[in-house]
Amino acid sequence: GAVVSQHPSRVICKSGTSVKIECRSLDFQATTMFWYRQFPKQSLMLMATSNEGSKATYEQGVEKDKFLINHASLTLSTLTVTSAHPEDSSFYICSALGGGNSGELFFGEGSRLTVL
Amino acid sequence: QQQVKQSPQSLIVQKGGISIINCAYENTAFDYFPWYQQFPGKGPALLIAIRPDVSEKKEGRFTISFNKSAKQFSLHIMDSQPGDSATYFCAAREGAQKLVFGQGTRLTINP
Repeated sequence: GAVVSQHPSRVICKSGTSVKIECRSLDFQATTMFWYRQFPKQSLMLMATSNEGSKATYEQGVEKDKFLINHASLTLSTLTVTSAHPEDSSFYICSALGGGNSGELFFGEGSRLTVL
Repeated sequence: QQQVKQSPQSLIVQKGGISIINCAYENTAFDYFPWYQQFPGKGPALLIAIRPDVSEKKEGRFTISFNKSAKQFSLHIMDSQPGDSATYFCAAREGAQKLVFGQGTRLTINP
């Protein structure tokens, strides 16, 4: 099936720094990508919907200025956690909507962010 | 109305047994119902999906049963194996809208 690559898989940073996570669709073009956050033993929480060439649509309660999303091409979306704090430590997962009529959603492997 | 309720929260099944996970929804406009399997530290992977025009879909040891009138759907894993131990999420979507996930079920298959 289609492959979505996420990088880095793990990142540790100091409080106050910014961290960028990349999400790439390797063998298909994705006009729409989604970013999720997952806490331990919990379900996936949608943070935002990223559309190529336009501004992301954020879910209620998600700070736009803290979680910057850019979808500059049909194969790449980035999530930047700005001025990270320990409470931002989490597992971040992206997904890309496949083409065609299936509407299948392909997930990346996730990125574990730890803010010290 | 956008919620998908999943049960049980955790499930222990003996090797070779049948694992059954249930989900219920309210939004009758949902038209796509996937199940995802997630191993620790990994992203979810699509296991099997169904649309409401069929009542059952089988792929190998995995079967989705769909009851449109009851607004329920379930995942059955036949001949469960230790390698099936993972967290399973049901989800639902209306058209091109965002996926709504269930709360997840942590499945453990005892050898």
